[in-house]
Amino acid sequence: QQQVRQSPQSLTVWEGETAILNCSYENSAFDYFPWYQQFPGEGPALLIAIRSVSDKKEDGRFTIFFNKREKKLSLHITDSQPGDSATYFCAASAEGATGGNNKLTFGQGTVLSVIP
Amino acid sequence: DPKIIQKPKYLVAVTGSEKILICEQYLGHNAMYWYRQSAKKPLEFMFSYSYQKLMDNQTASSRFQPQSSKKNHLDLQITALKPDDSATYFCASSQTGNSDYTFGSGTRLLVI
Repeated sequence: QQQVRQSPQSLTVWEGETAILNCSYENSAFDYFPWYQQFPGEGPALLIAIRSVSDKKEDGRFTIFFNKREKKLSLHITDSQPGDSATYFCAASAEGATGGNNKLTFGQGTVLSVIP
Repeated sequence: DPKIIQKPKYLVAVTGSEKILICEQYLGHNAMYWYRQSAKKPLEFMFSYSYQKLMDNQTASSRFQPQSSKKNHLDLQITALKPDDSATYFCASSQTGNSDYTFGSGTRLLVI
């Protein structure tokens, strides 16, 4: 049972283009959605996050768009750089419902390649 | 300086043996977690601890046992190792009530 799904599995864009990574979820109790960036040989690192009360969160070149009704969100990376080449994971937790157990459920990841 | 230390970085084990994966965090966090990453199931949740107490266990096998000897430690003991256990095991931590995890760099386990 995959509660968090990501698409596409892999994505290749040219330097300077906007990369769009998609994520959907099933559990209506999920209310917090962080995105993690992982480089080969390293652990995932928190990139940007959004709460379900918002529909947009921006941090520099990274923007999350969130649609609660459709249970979908997307990560937009504008002016993509070769250094953005990594695996991106969408995750979800039910912070308001779990009484302290902040388990993150991860999607299967999108491998982004940015060509110079 | 790394905020979460996982040791060892690489580990090769023989089928049937027992190993302990070490995790220490120096972030002052109260919650710690173990995740497993493999080609089949990227970032699969295993355990969560809060104030050294088990909060959630999604590991079907009792061969996996977390051990918390100190507030900032959460080790993972794996017994009767199988080749299917081969994966990268990540430790993470956060403040209790917060889902912003900091991950360690992982222990890459190969069972032969």
